[in-house]
Amino acid sequence: DAGITQSPRYKITETGRQVTLMCHQTWSHSYMFWYRQDLGHGLRLIYYSAAADITDKGEVPDGYVVSRSKTENFPLTLESATRSQTSVYFCASSGVSKQETQYFGPGTRLLVL
Amino acid sequence: KQEVTQIPAALSVPEGENLVLNCSFTDSAIYNLQWFRQDPGKGLTSLLLIQSSQREQTSGRLNASLDKSSGRSTLYIAASQPGDSATYLCAVYGQNFVFGPGTRLSVLP
Repeated sequence: DAGITQSPRYKITETGRQVTLMCHQTWSHSYMFWYRQDLGHGLRLIYYSAAADITDKGEVPDGYVVSRSKTENFPLTLESATRSQTSVYFCASSGVSKQETQYFGPGTRLLVL
Repeated sequence: KQEVTQIPAALSVPEGENLVLNCSFTDSAIYNLQWFRQDPGKGLTSLLLIQSSQREQTSGRLNASLDKSSGRSTLYIAASQPGDSATYLCAVYGQNFVFGPGTRLSVLP
């Protein structure tokens, strides 16, 4: 039972480069989420998706793009990375409702130089 | 805008003690509240979820209560163990998900 996985686990990139963080879940959960975790800000929601081809903004969506062509995958793209996007990124999923328990992936540590 | 705070920010206790972690939120219009634990360098693990219509939830040595009207939740950990050492976060779901900053717990053997 793989659950929810993220790749890569660690990434170093340069300012201006495009970066895509991958998230995959094996439970066929409807909802998927992307968060970033920063010291002093805690966890903040970037984007979420209710189903394939349905996405919506969270608290801090600027500079990020998401897509969801398949239920099990929810990639997050930084189109032109900035130093302020250095963070730990977590993907999560929940069943058929946003109100259900969220299950988190192990996180991706991203450093933008 | 919903704001979530957690007190204390850090707590250190000897093994075997019972302890209480606090979570406060400013907007009582929520659907549910969740408690998570996060181990260093790891993702979050859900501990308990309390729906807005519920007053408390229990799982093993953990008990979480919710008082929506006062904007408070507590997580009670009975007979603490060194393996309980982690950061505990609460998250409220209203218009969106908002996490608290966490309480860093150390249980000393």
